[in-house]
Amino acid sequence: QVQLQQSGPGLVKPSQTLSLTCAISGDSVSSNSVAWNWIRQSPSRGLEWLGRTYYRARWFKDYALSVKSRISINPDTSKNQFSLQLNSVTPEDTAVYYCARGIISVGGIRFDNWGQGTLVTVSS
Amino acid sequence: QSVLTQPPSASGTPGQRVTISCSGSSSNIGSRTVDWYQQLPGTAPKLLIYSNNQRPSGVPDRFSGSKSGTSASLAISGLQSEDEADYYCAAWDDSVNGPVFGGGTKLTVL
Repeated sequence: QVQLQQSGPGLVKPSQTLSLTCAISGDSVSSNSVAWNWIRQSPSRGLEWLGRTYYRARWFKDYALSVKSRISINPDTSKNQFSLQLNSVTPEDTAVYYCARGIISVGGIRFDNWGQGTLVTVSS
Repeated sequence: QSVLTQPPSASGTPGQRVTISCSGSSSNIGSRTVDWYQQLPGTAPKLLIYSNNQRPSGVPDRFSGSKSGTSASLAISGLQSEDEADYYCAAWDDSVNGPVFGGGTKLTVL
């Protein structure tokens, strides 16, 4: 059974970097059949996919256009986890952040396992 | 403004059948499969339907999905009080090269 456990601060100051980690159990971050994603949810923006990393003989990373200049998602094979870094945050980045496992198919991607969510507030 | 359009609310009485619609375009629903998620208050979304009409293990067959053209629907039959939740549709969008979500439908069981 796959479980995702998120960790990281719930309060970040404007202009600083938001950093979250998602520890994986029951699967491998290096698995050849899935992708590891970050998704956020806020009242103003709804559910918003931020990006993913996945391994297919080498590491791939895809990011949403809305955050592409500020985001980095990195795998950590030694700890079987992956992380999110979002730079230069503003109050608009305040949201509940989720990590999620994605099953990639011809038709798209479905998120079958989610972390517990982390409310991140951007405020001084 | 979400890429996929859902009604903000829906309601029904116990035992009733309720449907929730999801409207998109040729770059998402029209060319890709649709997934549905159920989100209970204070919890993470849970995969309810994938690939238009497939149920993950453990999801009751009261839940069903369908797709036609650039629209999709989620149907819940035999409505129960525990079905009260927010429901979201999702699909890959080729124009943004990523998945997009609907704005969510809050289902109330009267």
